[in-house]
Amino acid sequence: GAGVSQSPSNKVTEKGKDVELRCDPISGHTALYWYRQSLGQGLEFLIYFQGNSAPDKSGLPSDRFSAERTGGSVSTLTIQRTQQEDSAVYLCASSLSPSAAGELFFGEGSRLTVL
Amino acid sequence: AQTVTQSQPEMSVQEAETVTLSCTYDTSESDYYLFWYKQPPSRQMILVIRQEAYKQQNATENRFSVNFQKAAKSFSLKISDSQLGDAAMYFCASIFAPGAGSYQLTFGKGTKLSVIP
Repeated sequence: GAGVSQSPSNKVTEKGKDVELRCDPISGHTALYWYRQSLGQGLEFLIYFQGNSAPDKSGLPSDRFSAERTGGSVSTLTIQRTQQEDSAVYLCASSLSPSAAGELFFGEGSRLTVL
Repeated sequence: AQTVTQSQPEMSVQEAETVTLSCTYDTSESDYYLFWYKQPPSRQMILVIRQEAYKQQNATENRFSVNFQKAAKSFSLKISDSQLGDAAMYFCASIFAPGAGSYQLTFGKGTKLSVIP
């Protein structure tokens, strides 16, 4: 597609359930990022994928969070046993890394609400 | 620690007027890039403007320009001839040490800009 596509746009779940958020980056973009945006906060880095290299998972807040990127394209962020503090907008971005450091193309995000 | 600070949670401007959004940062690195991103209600972040620290000339993109004061570690965004479509959250961000392979953007907490017709 022309831009970064994320699904679902909105997700409401019950505490303790698992959720999967999907990101389809711009074709040809080798770098993929996940950020979390909580109410009233800036963006918090979660994880970074670059080509076939091992991902940088240093931003994942707990072991309930995991992400994978299949075939260097689509990525899935999984949150297990969701907690209310996981409620946030999860933003995915891609870029023509490394030459375009910081020039990210973002999706519209997935808003997660944990009841 | 490397930080980006936006001290104005909310700002407003009359349509067609000029507004300046403030941003300061703290780093010991000499190599860094600075950015302003816009997030409209659609939630999709859009890059507005980029400035490399080694460049003395302030970046400009149409109605958007920056005032980069390296010694003061200040990076403000000026929006001229404000339009209704400029209403959004604006985030200041930085990559510190991109030449060393750094890729994480550090974001400020944002400034919500309202444009009054």
